Amino acid sequence: EVQLVESGGGLVQPGGSLRLSCGVSEFTFSSYSMNWVRQAPGKGLEWVSYISTSGSTIYYADSVRGRFTISRDNAKNSLFLEMNSLRDEDTAIYYCARDLPRYYGMDVWGQGTTVTVSS
Amino acid sequence: SYVLTQAPSVSVAPGQTARITCGGNNIASKSVHWYRQKPGQAPVLVIYYDTYRPSGIPERFSGSNSGNTATLTISRVEAGDEADYYCQVWDSSNQRVFGTGTKVTVL
Repeated sequence: EVQLVESGGGLVQPGGSLRLSCGVSEFTFSSYSMNWVRQAPGKGLEWVSYISTSGSTIYYADSVRGRFTISRDNAKNSLFLEMNSLRDEDTAIYYCARDLPRYYGMDVWGQGTTVTVSS
Repeated sequence: SYVLTQAPSVSVAPGQTARITCGGNNIASKSVHWYRQKPGQAPVLVIYYDTYRPSGIPERFSGSNSGNTATLTISRVEAGDEADYYCQVWDSSNQRVFGTGTKVTVL
């Protein structure tokens, strides 16, 4: 079964850092662009970042640019999100999501990992 | 940045048709994707590229996109269709944008 599994969430103080990981199985990871999407408690979906298949093209939401870094390791079938200078408003469930080739809808999602920024 | 506007809620009786709209400036020039999210679950793609259904999504789900409005239509609504629905596009500055979300309630 095609699967994405996020890990690395937790409680962190404002200004702190956290690194999220997304492991994948049952598909050729290197052939798919990937995304991070988050959802604050009781709120809607917010796209965070995109990375192309090779990692050569990266985009960020304005709200995280300069603080978050997306990366991938195709040899280890893993996607990452390095989060620095965390703020209260970064508190959310963070999902990794796979892109449909050509069409770019996000067709496979992980179950999410929770990040709580609080003192 | 590009804004996608959705009605906060839609109520529909079982067996009837639900239409969920997504408004954006000249949205017809963009490809629209739709997601369903049930409480406590990850989103699921139900329509991509305006009108295409992923495998496993019933034919009751269809999409259209014209002018300033994209529409997700759910025919013969069932209790299991109750969920939040989000539209999504790429905007011209390489940002992905989600709509505000519509809660569908089955009466």
